[in-house]
Amino acid sequence: AQSVTQLGSHVSVSEGALVLLRCNYSSSVPPYLFWYVQYPNQGLQLLLKYTSAATLVKGINGFEAEFKKSETSFHLTKPSAHMSDAAEYFCAVSDIAGTASKLTFGTGTRLQVTL
Amino acid sequence: GAGVSQSPRYKVAKRGQDVALRCDPISGHVSLFWYQQALGQGPEFLTYFQNEAQLDKSGLPSDRFFAERPEGSVSTLKIQRTQQEDSAVYLCASSLTILTGAGDKETQYFGPGTRLLVL
Repeated sequence: AQSVTQLGSHVSVSEGALVLLRCNYSSSVPPYLFWYVQYPNQGLQLLLKYTSAATLVKGINGFEAEFKKSETSFHLTKPSAHMSDAAEYFCAVSDIAGTASKLTFGTGTRLQVTL
Repeated sequence: GAGVSQSPRYKVAKRGQDVALRCDPISGHVSLFWYQQALGQGPEFLTYFQNEAQLDKSGLPSDRFFAERPEGSVSTLKIQRTQQEDSAVYLCASSLTILTGAGDKETQYFGPGTRLLVL
């Protein structure tokens, strides 16, 4: 069984500060990993994904994440936060050996950006 | 439309009523997924279709939940005799391809969800 743990249900940063959202995964097979963002009353939008190519993945809106197998982590970062980054962020893992690419999500981290 | 659409966006039901939630995936997408997102939680997998075939329904919480995709495009999630614990946002996602032997994955594109409140 696969699982994802997101440390910190709420993270608050100042505008212009570094954003770091943590994600650790558990998987018995090499995983595919994803970060999604959810704005209020909207569906999930893909930020970036790791699919066993480069370990440093760049996504939209200036976000990036690094896959670290030794630490079973896939933390999301952005050098400089913007007010528009305030949203809920979900890390997810997909089982590449399964019969369907269903996603297992973490519980989410709400990012607050202050002036 | 360019994206996944879902209707209704909001649904209020009295306990015991049946509800039907509709998902229109992106045209041509083979795979379709339903997820349930309880308040303050991440989405949880319910069921998966490859075209019209329901290949995985392991996440459906009870036999009151039923999903179909008869023509391989539009899908309906039906909940019979709704209970208060069914209150959640129901998300639909579609992706272009099926799983290949190389383990190639396609991005899942999510709809805005249907927020169900059972009173």
